Amino acid sequence: EDQVTQSPEALRLQEGESSSLNCSYTVSGLRGLFWYRQDPGKGPEFLFTLYSAGEEKEKERLKATLTKKESFLHITAPKPEDSATYLCAVQARAGSYQLTFGKGTKLSVIP
Amino acid sequence: DTEVTQTPKHLVMGMTNKKSLKCEQHMGHRAMYWYKQKAKKPPELMFVYSYEKLSINESVPSRFSPECPNSSLLNLHLHALQPEDSALYLCASSQAGKNTEAFFGQGTRLTVV
Repeated sequence: EDQVTQSPEALRLQEGESSSLNCSYTVSGLRGLFWYRQDPGKGPEFLFTLYSAGEEKEKERLKATLTKKESFLHITAPKPEDSATYLCAVQARAGSYQLTFGKGTKLSVIP
Repeated sequence: DTEVTQTPKHLVMGMTNKKSLKCEQHMGHRAMYWYKQKAKKPPELMFVYSYEKLSINESVPSRFSPECPNSSLLNLHLHALQPEDSALYLCASSQAGKNTEAFFGQGTRLTVV
């Protein structure tokens, strides 16, 4: 059974304090790993797709990396507007539309 | 444009009511999805349509009935719901046949009274 575990469950940072969120996964053949940001009461907003170990993607203060067992979302010098829940999801098995989500990391950035 | 539009944003319905949720996208995506999300939980897949045909039904109760009238529209018909069905209902779309990202709408906050 595919599993995605995100840690920590919650993270509180001071503005400008860089950190990383972790997404560990066990799947029967990873086809893609996705990072989303979700604000309260809103739909998830797509951030990154990673397909193979060693791949990295960047967008503003966010950088996502992928190994064979986990992915990291690095946040550099965060701002209060980066506060949100960050969701990791994996797609396994060729041709499957099924996304398995982790429970998310709730990030709070304090001014 | 990566927009998926859902209506209504909020819906309150009684357990004997019939209502419908609507979703629209104009990205040319041929896969469309319904997800259910309870508070502080990740989204849970309900249905997948691929090329306007239902390809996945994750053992969802029959009081939820999906419909895909064309490649841009997706509906979720609701009937005889229970209070525990109250949740955020999310529509998403993606390219079909590829392992690409899904884009989500802003959701419909459903309350069953």
